[in-house]
Amino acid sequence: EVQLVESGGDLVQPGGSLRLSCAVSGFTFSSYWMTWVRQAPGKGLEWVANIEQDGIEKSYLDSVKGRFTIFRDNAKKTLYLEMNSLRVEDTAVYYCARLVRGPVTRYLNSWGQGTLVSVSS
Amino acid sequence: QSVLTQPPSASGTPGQGVTISCSGSTSNIGRNTANWYQQLPGAAPKLFIYNNNQRASGVSDRVSASKSGTSASLAINGLQSEDEAEYFCSAWDDSLNGVVFGGGTKVTVL
Repeated sequence: EVQLVESGGDLVQPGGSLRLSCAVSGFTFSSYWMTWVRQAPGKGLEWVANIEQDGIEKSYLDSVKGRFTIFRDNAKKTLYLEMNSLRVEDTAVYYCARLVRGPVTRYLNSWGQGTLVSVSS
Repeated sequence: QSVLTQPPSASGTPGQGVTISCSGSTSNIGRNTANWYQQLPGAAPKLFIYNNNQRASGVSDRVSASKSGTSASLAINGLQSEDEAEYFCSAWDDSLNGVVFGGGTKVTVL
């Protein structure tokens, strides 16, 4: 059974830092691109970052570039999101998801349960 | 402001049907497949439709979807209480090199 389990969410002050983790099981982690998606309270889904299988190619939402870093440890089957200079508007539930890629298709076919990041003074 | 545009709400009585539209652009739906995610109250999103019209595992055949140009649509026929959820359209965006979503459509069974 495919499982993705996020952790690391917390209450943090503006300007603070946090590292989220996503531990996976039930599939060959090193074969998949992975994604972080967030959802602010009462709002819709917002893509945050992608990382390819070897951890080299990455892309980010403009508003988090330079503040967030996505990385992975294939040996530990774990995806990470390092978040620095956090802002109130980063408050959200953060989900990790497995990205399926084809020539013209990309979709998120497995999601974790999410971890809540609250940024407030 | 979401990159993809969908109506905020849709509703119908049990047995009726609803259709949700999703409008994008050439950099996303126009070049890549459209997908839909279902989010039940208090739960994480899950894949609902992929590759424009393929039902994910466990999705009822009362559900259908299509794509034309830069738009996509999701139809649910024979509404049941279990269909009450929020539905998000999505696609890969070649300009952003990331996933874009619609703002979500809350489906209510009256």
